Amino acid sequence: RKEVEQDPGPFNVPEGATVAFNCTYSNSASQSFFWYRQDCRKEPKLLMSVYSSGNEDGRFTAQLNRASQYISLLIRDSKLSDSATYLCVVNRPNFGNEKLTFGTGTRLTIIP
Amino acid sequence: DTGVSQNPRHKITKRGQNVTFRCDPISEHNRLYWYRQTLGQGPEFLTYFQNEAQLEKSRLLSDRFSAERPKGSFSTLEIQRTEQGDSAMYLCASSPLGGNSYEQYFGPGTRLTVT
Repeated sequence: RKEVEQDPGPFNVPEGATVAFNCTYSNSASQSFFWYRQDCRKEPKLLMSVYSSGNEDGRFTAQLNRASQYISLLIRDSKLSDSATYLCVVNRPNFGNEKLTFGTGTRLTIIP
Repeated sequence: DTGVSQNPRHKITKRGQNVTFRCDPISEHNRLYWYRQTLGQGPEFLTYFQNEAQLEKSRLLSDRFSAERPKGSFSTLEIQRTEQGDSAMYLCASSPLGGNSYEQYFGPGTRLTVT
């Protein structure tokens, strides 16, 4: 089983719609969770961290379910500029945040 | 530009040749990471430095790969006797020690093509 699993998509979503991505991780001892965004042919950039209580940043909401080892990202009122690959990222337990394990990414295209 | 920089941005080489890539991290960042990314995959961890010390190497990093960070500033990644399977994007990232050290800032990458 992969350490971090994501549906690769692609997700083709009309502008203004709400879209949700899910991710599962295999190591129950993982402690830190993130969503990174990667535009085509660009480097990954941190979108948001994921906290146990759930957190929101504008149109973006991240949730963590430790019991199910499941992370989600919700994008409301999607914009054309949200088109990108969204990478689910988990730290390796007992090594702080030095080593991050990335999922394969979920590709999102917002359609006008 | 005070972000992470990488050189060259693209490298085409013939199988069997050696290549070297350079990464200049954000100046106050103590930690530096190398990743490899192939099409349709997320970045895969290769190795990590804290200052000049190489603290971890992935099993992906065969004996043909070597990384250095001699003065705790820039880093180089060398691949000897390149193989076609080495074709990938090589990403460098840096992060500060302490504070919000979980955020890794990535450079634009070096795209390697081995023919």
